[in-house]
Amino acid sequence: ILNVEQSPQSLHVQEGDSTNFTCSFPSSNFYALHWYRWETAKSPEALFVMTLNGDEKKKGRISATLNTKEGYSYLYIKGSQPEDSATYLCAFQEGGKLIFGQGTELSVKP
Amino acid sequence: GEEVAQTPKHLVRGEGQKAKLYCAPIKGHSYVFWYQQVLKNEFKFLISFQNENVFDETGMPKERFSAKCLPNSPCSLEIQATKLEDSAVYFCASSLQWVRDSTYEQYFGPGTRLTVT
Repeated sequence: ILNVEQSPQSLHVQEGDSTNFTCSFPSSNFYALHWYRWETAKSPEALFVMTLNGDEKKKGRISATLNTKEGYSYLYIKGSQPEDSATYLCAFQEGGKLIFGQGTELSVKP
Repeated sequence: GEEVAQTPKHLVRGEGQKAKLYCAPIKGHSYVFWYQQVLKNEFKFLISFQNENVFDETGMPKERFSAKCLPNSPCSLEIQATKLEDSAVYFCASSLQWVRDSTYEQYFGPGTRLTVT
């Protein structure tokens, strides 16, 4: 069974702190890794799709890196704001589907 | 439309009753995916379609669950004889393309919350 693991499960930071979390996935048969931002009762929002080893992508204060050889990806948020509070999901692309990790819940206090 | 639409927003069924959920993908998107979120944050893949053809059904329970995507109609996910453990949020997503060695985003709808009592 293919396993996608995210850590930590939850994170509480103060406004202005920078933070990062990890997604681990199988390093064999890699096609792509997806990152989503999700607030409960809303649609998950696509952040990044990462394909190449060493890839680094950025959207505003959020960035992500990818290491396909060792099977991990980091998501970074610089200068966290209360509106960044959400669950961040990574998903491993396999065939006709995405296999999701269990997410990291981020809470940013003003 | 520009967003994935899912109806209804909430659905309550007594155990043993049928439940039918609908998904309208973004216009022009050929691929539709269904996911079940039972436990907090756990998104479990059920089935995907390329137009009206099943693309990947490896996550679909063998019994009671069925799904269709017919031309000019919303896609549907149907659960016959619902059980308590079917209570979950069911998300639909669509994608313009989906190729093994290429990358396309999946755009998600807001989900349908199914409660089985």
